[in-house]
Amino acid sequence: EAQVTQNPRYLITVTGKKLTVTCSQNMNHEYMSWYRQDPGLGLRQIYYSMNVEVTDKGDVPEGYKVSRKEKRNFPLILESPSPNQTSLYFCASSLRLGANVLTFGAGSRLTVL
Amino acid sequence: DQQVKQNSPSLSVQEGRISILNCDYTNSMFDYFLWYKKYPAEGPTFLISISSIKDKNEDGRFTVFLNKSAKHLSLHIVPSQPGDSAVYFCAASVKTSYDKVIFGPGTSLSVIP
Repeated sequence: EAQVTQNPRYLITVTGKKLTVTCSQNMNHEYMSWYRQDPGLGLRQIYYSMNVEVTDKGDVPEGYKVSRKEKRNFPLILESPSPNQTSLYFCASSLRLGANVLTFGAGSRLTVL
Repeated sequence: DQQVKQNSPSLSVQEGRISILNCDYTNSMFDYFLWYKKYPAEGPTFLISISSIKDKNEDGRFTVFLNKSAKHLSLHIVPSQPGDSAVYFCAASVKTSYDKVIFGPGTSLSVIP
């Protein structure tokens, strides 16, 4: 089944403790992206990647890092999480951006205490 | 400033009636528009799209209308069904390779049986 898989789905952590949210897609998509969803703000893009070893900042990149060493994986790294990073995170992919549709993962709900 | 706006955070409609969800955008460079539907605890899924060369696109019970001069699009659901109860995100992009998709804040639709 074609899908985007995120882990963990739920995580409670404390300020400053590094964490990684993994994202993997099995559709050989070139484009991958991370979004966060906050009430009243919709989905805001954190980082995106056009292909292996090619990444760029989205609208809200502060406090996050990403890497794209393989085509299928696009992990989101929070080096020193803070409470304002408490949010619902979505990974998405598409064959390429433009007219193509994004396929989203099921989401990862992160709480930073 | 939000480039894609959905001014109604929520909407309630009786089963069998028409649901109309509205979306406004500010960037005249946007030329491709999408609607995504999101159920609780799931990622958004693609519903319907429209290119700026069209003013209407229909898929079963779902129709999207685009008014470029007003920078406005709307999603019509006829007839509405309880299973349509979800959050609907409007999204816009520029149809060049690797440009990003901008999402609106979403409208929560409740279809009352």
